[in-house]
Amino acid sequence: DAKTTQPPSMDCAEGRAANLPCNHSTISGNEYVYWYRQIHSQGPQYIIHGLKNNETNEMASLIITEDRKSSTLILPHATLRDTAVYYCIVRVGAGNTGTASKLTFGTGTRLQVTL
Amino acid sequence: DAGVTQSPTHLIKTRGQQVTLRCSPKSGHDTVSWYQQALGQGPQFIFQYYEEEERQRGNFPDRFSGHQFPNYSSELNVNALLLGDSALYLCASSFRGGQFFGPGTRLTVL
Repeated sequence: DAKTTQPPSMDCAEGRAANLPCNHSTISGNEYVYWYRQIHSQGPQYIIHGLKNNETNEMASLIITEDRKSSTLILPHATLRDTAVYYCIVRVGAGNTGTASKLTFGTGTRLQVTL
Repeated sequence: DAGVTQSPTHLIKTRGQQVTLRCSPKSGHDTVSWYQQALGQGPQFIFQYYEEEERQRGNFPDRFSGHQFPNYSSELNVNALLLGDSALYLCASSFRGGQFFGPGTRLTVL
């Protein structure tokens, strides 16, 4: 799995958009970009994933550059409950039953949302 | 749907002892992965079970072993505990790729 680079920490004011960058310059053509977050002392929570098109769901938007070497996770209106460590992960495919689909976590970005 | 459940939530052991952690996957999921998360670090992949067999293993010694039962639940066993085994142990279940994590078991080795 390709290595990712994220800033160690970021701050965001409540109600503003939080934009979390991720570099994955060695990503392969069959690797997806996944985002998870981990709120203190809880298990990681899936947020969103994409291959090359921008994606949006009820939690966030994912913007992937045309060359796929970087991406940005956008939380449109951050709240205090979004304070967490955010992990950007690249991995092969969405996975098939029986296919090993491990996640390789880095140290992530610690997002602090403040009043 | 209860999601992924793990037991116990907390555990204290001493060096040299053995420990067993348990995981029940999310309903409909047939694959279970285990991760170790040391304080301040991201989770590290230990191994994955599918159809009651270990399918892939991370860089962990043989002291770490596992099992998957016919109902897809799983156990993680660690023998000869070391102080460095103190961590949050996370179980994730999946079906066709997407992984859902449980709350974890906090293991403290004294």
